[in-house]
Amino acid sequence: DTAVSQTPKYLVTQMGNDKSIKCEQNLGHDTMYWYKQDSKKFLKIMFSYNNKELIINETVPNRFSPKSPDKAHLNLHINSLELGDSAVYFCASSQVAAYNSPLHFGNGTRLTVT
Amino acid sequence: GNSVTQMEGPVTLSEEAFLTINCTYTATGYPSLFWYVQYPGEGLQLLLKATKADDKGSNKGFEATYRKETTSFHLEKGSVQVSDSAVYFCALSDSTGNQFYFGTGTSLTVIP
Repeated sequence: DTAVSQTPKYLVTQMGNDKSIKCEQNLGHDTMYWYKQDSKKFLKIMFSYNNKELIINETVPNRFSPKSPDKAHLNLHINSLELGDSAVYFCASSQVAAYNSPLHFGNGTRLTVT
Repeated sequence: GNSVTQMEGPVTLSEEAFLTINCTYTATGYPSLFWYVQYPGEGLQLLLKATKADDKGSNKGFEATYRKETTSFHLEKGSVQVSDSAVYFCALSDSTGNQFYFGTGTSLTVIP
């Protein structure tokens, strides 16, 4: 009955590879997000989708491509991985249509690029 | 623009000490304010929230009051426990509810 689940939890890969992280939410929320957390715990918004429509697209290399097949899923695909991509990636969701809805986070995917 | 500033850590306290983590914000319109907690190896969990001026959010002994006049939302707890050791994030959502702005996080360690 996990609310926001993302897989895998750990991802170790080599530079130049392509990888995907999957995220699903069972809260019925209308908006999903991807955040990147660096080693100093700083959180940076990457993307946001509302009902499958991209609404936030921060300055992120175009090697990162989000895909939302339906409003319960938001996957993150990363091409040509670089050392600097190593971080923890968090998926989150909220019900923007409901005023003051908080974010609900998944447990994160720790990506290590070697 | 919108932003959140919270006190730098790390903070180390003895068990049963009083905790304050300062948070101030800059926002247009009427933001909602949140405190999130991140335990090691986990995602962020909502700790408490306040949606309008003078609201007090509270949970698990933690409290924070939405102060519009000082644009602050300081987190307090009267008596911390070892299990409160975590990273705490102050955040706001803008008037649309679409965009969230996070502080840099404050690491708290409580020692027995």
